[in-house]
Amino acid sequence: AQSVSQHNHHVILSEAASLELGCNYSYGGTVNLFWYVQYPGQHLQLLLKYFSGDPLVKGIKGFEAEFIKSKFSFNLRKPSVQWSDTAEYFCAVTYTGGFKTIFGAGTRLFVKA
Amino acid sequence: EAGVTQFPSHSVIEKGQTVTLRCDPISGHDNLYWYRRVMGKEIKFLLHFVKESKQDESGMPNNRFLAERTGGTYSTLKVQPAELEDSGVYFCASSPVGYGGQYFGPGTRLTVT
Repeated sequence: AQSVSQHNHHVILSEAASLELGCNYSYGGTVNLFWYVQYPGQHLQLLLKYFSGDPLVKGIKGFEAEFIKSKFSFNLRKPSVQWSDTAEYFCAVTYTGGFKTIFGAGTRLFVKA
Repeated sequence: EAGVTQFPSHSVIEKGQTVTLRCDPISGHDNLYWYRRVMGKEIKFLLHFVKESKQDESGMPNNRFLAERTGGTYSTLKVQPAELEDSGVYFCASSPVGYGGQYFGPGTRLTVT
């Protein structure tokens, strides 16, 4: 079955630390990849997406993600986190030709001020 | 522009009762999706509408769940009769044709006791 695996369920960082959240998806063909974020009390919102082209994708709020096809990975990075980045982050995938989005279990990030 | 709205925000019902959840997508969005998140687990796809037609309902757990989308506008998800394992947060999302990501609503938290 198609699945998405997020490596960490909880991450605690201090402000200004660098962030990398791991995400791997199961093979199933050509993929579209997403990171969504849910800030406390807010809706899920799209952080960034990859469809094709440059495998390094830049999103909002200084986030970026790199698609490594050979590793079936789409890790999320930010060089310097802020307290306001405290949120839950979800990696997700759709397989080309379909609309069904498969989500990972989420990573809760807490940034200490 | 109004976002995706869901009603109610919370619902507590007893096992065996019926509950109907409503989703109003962003105006003009042909794609509408339903997802469910059981506590601490991944967000799971339930089904996808394009306008009023069901395109993919492979994620619907069983025939106690019935989704409709009237005239391609709002959608309802009915659970009848509810079981304890139906508890969770039900998310609705919408997107326009050709857009890769989805806009999520705030979710309905359903508790079956």
